[in-house]
Amino acid sequence: NAGVTQTPKFQVLKTGQSMTLQCAQDMNHNSMYWYRQDPGMGLRLIYYSASEGTTDKGEVPNGYNVSRLNKREFSLRLESAAPSQTSVYFCASSGRTDTNYGYTFGSGTRLTVV
Amino acid sequence: QKEVEQNSGPLSVPEGAIASLNCTYSDRGSQSFFWYRQYSGKSPELIMSIYSNGDKEDGRFTAQLNKASQYVSLLIRDSQPSDSATYLCAVIINAGNNRKLIWGLGTSLAVNP
Repeated sequence: NAGVTQTPKFQVLKTGQSMTLQCAQDMNHNSMYWYRQDPGMGLRLIYYSASEGTTDKGEVPNGYNVSRLNKREFSLRLESAAPSQTSVYFCASSGRTDTNYGYTFGSGTRLTVV
Repeated sequence: QKEVEQNSGPLSVPEGAIASLNCTYSDRGSQSFFWYRQYSGKSPELIMSIYSNGDKEDGRFTAQLNKASQYVSLLIRDSQPSDSATYLCAVIINAGNNRKLIWGLGTSLAVNP
């Protein structure tokens, strides 16, 4: 089925370890996003890519890096994981760079940093 | 004042009733409004978008937008237990030369059989 695919679904890291969250969409969308969702904080934008070849910081970029590998793929890297990065991470894509259209979300990655 | 505000709930309604979910926003120039549904442990799913004042209906769902009063609401008719979820309001606001999508924290809805 068409949509946004995220991997892995679950991950436990030790403090200081690194990992990359993968995201791919097959809807030919230009824009892609990484969010984290925490209880009481809602969805917070980490990084986004308005189009292939561009990336920009969102509200909470510290501790993360991203790569827009091609139009389909947008990865999120944690270089040195911290307990504060324990969260649920969602990748999303949108067909328009002006965000006037809704987002399609991946199924999420539940990350625990111990 | 938060940019997008929702009552956190929980909102509890009996099966078959109308559930009314409300969202207010601060940016008077906002043009685009969205409702997402999020089941526990799942990702948000777009259920309605609305851009013009008035009502927009899609099946059992009706979105209502009032730009003068800066609120957008979602009505769910004939509520079903399967409608039990958190409903997120999202609004595009103008931030300088850019537009930003701002999320509310969501309203939890429980539909009781």
